[in-house]
Amino acid sequence: TQLLEQSPQFLSIQEGENLTVYCNSSSVFSSLQWYRQEPGEGPVLLVTVVTGGEVKKLKRLTFQFGDARKDSSLHITAAQPGDTGLYLCAANDYKLSFGAGTTVTVRA
Amino acid sequence: DTAVSQTPKYLVTQMGNDKSIKCEQNLGHDTMYWYKQDSKKFLKIMFSYNNKELIINETVPNRFSPKSPDKAHLNLHINSLELGDSAVYFCASSPPETLIIQYFGAGTRLSVL
Repeated sequence: TQLLEQSPQFLSIQEGENLTVYCNSSSVFSSLQWYRQEPGEGPVLLVTVVTGGEVKKLKRLTFQFGDARKDSSLHITAAQPGDTGLYLCAANDYKLSFGAGTTVTVRA
Repeated sequence: DTAVSQTPKYLVTQMGNDKSIKCEQNLGHDTMYWYKQDSKKFLKIMFSYNNKELIINETVPNRFSPKSPDKAHLNLHINSLELGDSAVYFCASSPPETLIIQYFGAGTRLSVL
């Protein structure tokens, strides 16, 4: 049983569209992170959310941590081909545990 | 300058062979990790070392043996390779002030034939 469930597993959209990726768990976390992994590369940290209800923005990316600190979402506005990649959420429970990821493809 | 570097990038070998993957970080971090990413992209921690000392050892076959000669290096040796060992192996490191921020290498794609 995975600690973190990500949905959807795959997402393919046209350039300019918006998308949302979800990360859910039945456990409460002190913090949650989002990483992006491009083909042939390692994951790169995008953001860490700590406070329940917290919203962080990184250019066109908006990250939200649920009020109960059990879930998080990543919203991308006006997606671009450069946003293509595997998006991973991760939570710390003495070690970093990753969700299975959402593969996002943005078509030009 | 590459922060976390792994060699080799690709490794193709026969079942039963022994192989090593090397990792070095130039970030001055105390903690280093090995992760395995399977064909479904699921990333799972294998080992963690803090200042050359093993602190996390997940359920990994004892054919896998990490070695940390100093805190900037963490190598992974695999004995008697099996088909199921085929995966991408990532090295990572964390700064001393927080273990939740991790910097990953580019990965080593291991293919066992």
